Amino acid sequence: SAVISQKPSRDICQRGTSLTIQCQVDSQVTMMFWYRQQPGQSLTLIATANQGSEATYESGFVIDKFPISRPNLTFSTLTVSNMSPEDSSIYLCSATSGTQETQYFGPGTRLLVL
Amino acid sequence: GNSVTQMEGPVTLSEEAFLTINCTYTATGYPSLFWYVQYPGEGLQLLLKATKADDKGSNKGFEATYRKETTSFHLEKGSVQVSDSAVYFCALRLRKGAGSYQLTFGKGTKLSVIP
Repeated sequence: SAVISQKPSRDICQRGTSLTIQCQVDSQVTMMFWYRQQPGQSLTLIATANQGSEATYESGFVIDKFPISRPNLTFSTLTVSNMSPEDSSIYLCSATSGTQETQYFGPGTRLLVL
Repeated sequence: GNSVTQMEGPVTLSEEAFLTINCTYTATGYPSLFWYVQYPGEGLQLLLKATKADDKGSNKGFEATYRKETTSFHLEKGSVQVSDSAVYFCALRLRKGAGSYQLTFGKGTKLSVIP
């Protein structure tokens, strides 16, 4: 299994600013992902974080708004840029390893934009 | 496209009651099926999984059986506890491309268990 930690666990930010969320996995993993969970909603995949190359974004999400880095096999960052109140969500890091049989999730970062 | 439909919540039960949360899916292919649980203030945790038809996943007294004929993966527990209060997500996983997979989640069902 993989244990995933995220920093910060929560933050309150002003509109127009940016926040970078860090994700650390305790073992080497093959795939890393970033999800958004808006209040009362299910999880939506933002992008797949690729090691050493640009992330693969899902429809409706763009690199300028959600730049992602993955410099090695155990670490990734997601930046929420030029925030607005609509960006208030829980952002979750996720990872799979080996055969990708199971996908693990971090505890989430709770973001409130005022 | 692929989708997961869960029963609408919230669900409120008394302690020791029987729990069923319905989940059905639509998939272009042969998915693996999962139940995740999200306790208040925490992230998602894998509860159980099944990877092929007629498999039964089980954990912490919860069970779900992969029913290909009805495209269902209903979650059951014989006797719920207050500590089971959480949001439960049904999900399917399919191959997306060469060497990659994607999870598709249902909207979640909030369970509240009262003493």
